[in-house]
Amino acid sequence: QKEVEQDPGPLSVPEGAIVSLNCTYSNSAFQYFMWYRQYSRKGPELLMYTYSSGNKEDGRFTAQVDKSSKYISLFIRDSQPSDSATYLCAMSINDMRFGAGTRLTVKP
Amino acid sequence: DVKVTQSSRYLVKRTGEKVFLECVQDMDHENMFWYRQDPGLGLRLIYFSYDVKMKEKGDIPEGYSVSREKKERFSLILESASTNQTSMYLCASSLITGGEGYGYTFGSGTRLTVV
Repeated sequence: QKEVEQDPGPLSVPEGAIVSLNCTYSNSAFQYFMWYRQYSRKGPELLMYTYSSGNKEDGRFTAQVDKSSKYISLFIRDSQPSDSATYLCAMSINDMRFGAGTRLTVKP
Repeated sequence: DVKVTQSSRYLVKRTGEKVFLECVQDMDHENMFWYRQDPGLGLRLIYFSYDVKMKEKGDIPEGYSVSREKKERFSLILESASTNQTSMYLCASSLITGGEGYGYTFGSGTRLTVV
């Protein structure tokens, strides 16, 4: 079993849709949870960060962590074509563990 | 704007060649990392370094070595390139080792093809 599981998609939605991206994990010791966005032919960039359980909102993006279920989510409201990218979840104790990434396409 | 710069975007090398991938960061970060990224497998840690002249093996170090002679520079070396090392290589740096809100800053990647 992988330490971090993420559905690779691809996921295709119309512009304006609400997008839900998810990861599950097996190591209950993870404390820090992140989402990275990676555009084609670029390196990942940090999008959202959450410590322990709870929600965090930043504009159209909401990150949720449910430590009891070992489940994290990223919601994108009013999705835009510019949101088309691969989204990687990541989590850490002392070093970072990444999901495989979900490829998202938002169609105009 | 802080940066992690990888020297090459695309490289094509022959089987058996010794390959050097260079990475430079301008953020005075202590920690630097080399990952490879393959479809369906995500990012896998090859080597990392917490300080100058220090190095630690990651999850898949076989066939690779690293060098960190200066704080800002972290080099990945493929001792004898093989076709199964064809991949996207990503360098990253961080202020501290854990997540703790800082995350990692990544370079744009080097797409290496070994023929």
